[in-house]
Amino acid sequence: KNEVEQSPQNLTAQEGEFITINCSYSVGISALHWLQQHPGGGIVSLFMLSSGKKKHGRLIATINIQEKHSSLHITASHPRDSAVYICAAPNTGNQFYFGTGTSLTVIP
Amino acid sequence: NAGVMQNPRHLVRRRGQEARLRCSPMKGHSHVYWYRQLPEEGLKFMVYLQKENIIDESGMPKERFSAEFPKEGPSILRIQQVVRGDSAAYFCASSSSNSGANVLTFGAGSRLTVL
Repeated sequence: KNEVEQSPQNLTAQEGEFITINCSYSVGISALHWLQQHPGGGIVSLFMLSSGKKKHGRLIATINIQEKHSSLHITASHPRDSAVYICAAPNTGNQFYFGTGTSLTVIP
Repeated sequence: NAGVMQNPRHLVRRRGQEARLRCSPMKGHSHVYWYRQLPEEGLKFMVYLQKENIIDESGMPKERFSAEFPKEGPSILRIQQVVRGDSAAYFCASSSSNSGANVLTFGAGSRLTVL
């Protein structure tokens, strides 16, 4: 079993839809990271959160430490949101456990 | 602030050759991480370095792979006698401290193709 599990693996949405990507982890963490990998391969850190909720534009990330679960939401999705979204959990040894990613395609 | 710079972006090597991938961390960052992303797979941790020190190399293959982060200059991931299975994207990330609660900044990656 992977330390970090993401769902769904693939997601296709119509432009404007509300999108949710889920992440469950089994390791003890100090914070959880959401990353975005563009079609060209580059990786951008979207959020780092250790509790509650963070919002950046149309992106919202939430985390429930007790349940070891985090969600990434995209409101009013747009084709430019098409990317792979990766959940990452650092352990105490500075290693990051990565989910396998959720490939999102937003259709115009 | 140029962010994390990796080069080369693309590298083609024949089996048996050596590959050297370079990573310059973000200004002010002294912690460097290397990750490998095999085709159709997720990111995997390889090694964590600070200046002149390898802190954690538990994700590095035991043979042919080495990493350094000298006092001056970029961090280098070196793969000797490359094989086809080494073909992957290699990402470098840096942070300002060793806390997992700090944001990682990723480089654009170096794509190695072994013919």
